[in-house]
Amino acid sequence: DAGVIQSPRHEVTEMGQEVTLRCKPISGHNSLFWYRQTMMRGLELLIYFNNNVPIDDSGMPEDRFSAKMPNASFSTLKIQPSEPRDSAVYFCASTQTVTNQPQHFGDGTRLSIL
Amino acid sequence: AQKVTQAQTEISVVEKEDVTLDCVYETRDTTYYLFWYKQPPSGELVFLIRRNSFDEQNEISGRYSWNFQKSTSSFNFTITASQVVDSAVYFCALSESADTGRRALTFGSGTRLQVQP
Repeated sequence: DAGVIQSPRHEVTEMGQEVTLRCKPISGHNSLFWYRQTMMRGLELLIYFNNNVPIDDSGMPEDRFSAKMPNASFSTLKIQPSEPRDSAVYFCASTQTVTNQPQHFGDGTRLSIL
Repeated sequence: AQKVTQAQTEISVVEKEDVTLDCVYETRDTTYYLFWYKQPPSGELVFLIRRNSFDEQNEISGRYSWNFQKSTSSFNFTITASQVVDSAVYFCALSESADTGRRALTFGSGTRLQVQP
């Protein structure tokens, strides 16, 4: 079975550029999560969707960040404009809504903003 | 608010030693879930175990075992006869009950385990 698929695996871009990270959850999963991992803050939730609807976006750092889930099989996390402090590993995870099934994580996108 | 504390930042052991990774959590919920994830040097997050707050039975899976003690709000992880392949960062995480509508994970800061040959 295919796991959570994230693309790209690595992204290096200059500050001010728009960055789009993509995620394909596991088929049949209806909850999707975006996390960010940094040395300073560890692993933290950015936003999560249930049945394609954003439920909790309290972790989104600021208006430069936006996330969408147009359908059950695809989500994007966009940063515009990007800044060096956005450099991190961004993970996408998915699960079924059934009570707190384990979240399955993608391999992450390592983002470097120069 | 929920919180997960992993006080051990880094542990170094020699192969075949037993090692215990500590995890202490805080939550106001009576129903919650606890998890352990492994992050090897390659960077992915690998699910190891999930326990719910009503099940305090210890669990063993091969060389791995978990000790859940509600009285001390701890969910410790022991690796018996450690191997070099166990070298990774291990994260403990907490998820509140689905009733609250919040199923996201709150992670601890992780414990880096180095197993020397």
